[in-house]
Amino acid sequence: KAGVTQTPRYLIKTRGQQVTLSCSPISGHRSVSWYQQTPGQGLQFLFEYFSETQRNKGNFPGRFSGRQFSNSRSEMNVSTLELGDSALYLCASSLGSLPGQDGYTFGSGTRLTVV
Amino acid sequence: GENVEQHPSTLSVQEGDSAVIKCTYSDSASNYFPWYKQELGKRPQLIIDIRSNVGEKKDQRIAVTLNKTAKHFSLHITETQPEDSAVYFCAVPAGGSYIPTFGRGTSLIVHP
Repeated sequence: KAGVTQTPRYLIKTRGQQVTLSCSPISGHRSVSWYQQTPGQGLQFLFEYFSETQRNKGNFPGRFSGRQFSNSRSEMNVSTLELGDSALYLCASSLGSLPGQDGYTFGSGTRLTVV
Repeated sequence: GENVEQHPSTLSVQEGDSAVIKCTYSDSASNYFPWYKQELGKRPQLIIDIRSNVGEKKDQRIAVTLNKTAKHFSLHITETQPEDSAVYFCAVPAGGSYIPTFGRGTSLIVHP
């Protein structure tokens, strides 16, 4: 079966712009989490969605937002981009109703570069 | 939130040697302990996990051991091969939210 699909794979944006990233989880996985990965900070939790509801949110500014649709696909949006937002954004889905309790399946990520 | 410390940050071994990576955590309510492997330019992948009712779990050349009293768990790789070269992450779910906190990662380099 298909894995976790993230689009686009690469993005280059200018400071001040906004960006939307997409994630399609494995079929049947209803919990979708987003992480930001950088060399300096490692894997930082952004937010988690389950049945179209944001259940958990990490310590990121309000410029970072997301949503989940009825088919479990999720999007995250970053507005007013800053240079420090350059990172690999990873989406992860899990089978159980509790995030990560059965292990995550990660997507390949979206590499965002802000110039 | 959960405090996770992972050591060492870098580990260099010769092919055939064993490698051990350790994670310590703070929340005694945590009950699920996975390890992920991330090869260069690729996604993290779950390679082994253990639950709190088990002390050790093996899968071919890799094993995970858990010491709940001391709040640490370790990844053991035996007979290392060059394809084991990658960054390894531990993760611990916070007791309340179940959101995993990841360790900072260990870069394992296996020299042929």
